[in-house]
Amino acid sequence: NAGVTQTPKFQVLKTGQSMTLQCAQDMNHNSMYWYRQDPGMGLRLIYYSASEGTTDKGEVPNGYNVSRLNKREFSLRLESAAPSQTSVYFCASSDRGTYVAFFGQGTRLTVV
Amino acid sequence: GEDVEQSLFLSVREGDSSVINCTYTDSSSTYLYWYKQEPGAGLQLLTYIFSNMDMKQDQRLTVLLNKKDKHLSLRIADTQTGDSAIYFCAEIPPSGGSYIPTFGRGTSLIVHP
Repeated sequence: NAGVTQTPKFQVLKTGQSMTLQCAQDMNHNSMYWYRQDPGMGLRLIYYSASEGTTDKGEVPNGYNVSRLNKREFSLRLESAAPSQTSVYFCASSDRGTYVAFFGQGTRLTVV
Repeated sequence: GEDVEQSLFLSVREGDSSVINCTYTDSSSTYLYWYKQEPGAGLQLLTYIFSNMDMKQDQRLTVLLNKKDKHLSLRIADTQTGDSAIYFCAEIPPSGGSYIPTFGRGTSLIVHP
């Protein structure tokens, strides 16, 4: 099983450019999440989707938008990248039984 | 709001036991988790414990839960260099029916030969 797949793995953007981070899961999970990880800050929730067709803001949503395209896919869009968005981005999904989260390998984004 | 608290670093000698501590925020959290992150990778579940348990043991891992103090610990027996990683404590505080994993900042475990 592939689990949670994120693309791309690495990206460098110039300030003001836009891009979309892709995420897909093959575990038939209802819930999906986007986190960012910064040194010493742990994981902070950007947006989540409790089910297909719904999305909600997390702790740090400013500068981001999301789309839950279908049950499998949850994308994160940066409309106008800023250096403060330099980070490692993780997509995750979870089941309804034990709510264990399964993570992708991460996207390392640098905004210059 | 309150944060899940963990110390940032722990250094141990190979063969010793490691104990990583965590204080979580919500006494109603039903599930509590430990995740491991190796360099350049995503987080992977290490183990979890239900809130109605005091202890869970799984090979070299022992999880202790003190609900009164909202304290969770992870003990790794006979720590190996391959255990060097970042360990995250996580809870699922019930909040309006949304079960969102909330993570601590992570404890970097460094194992010296």
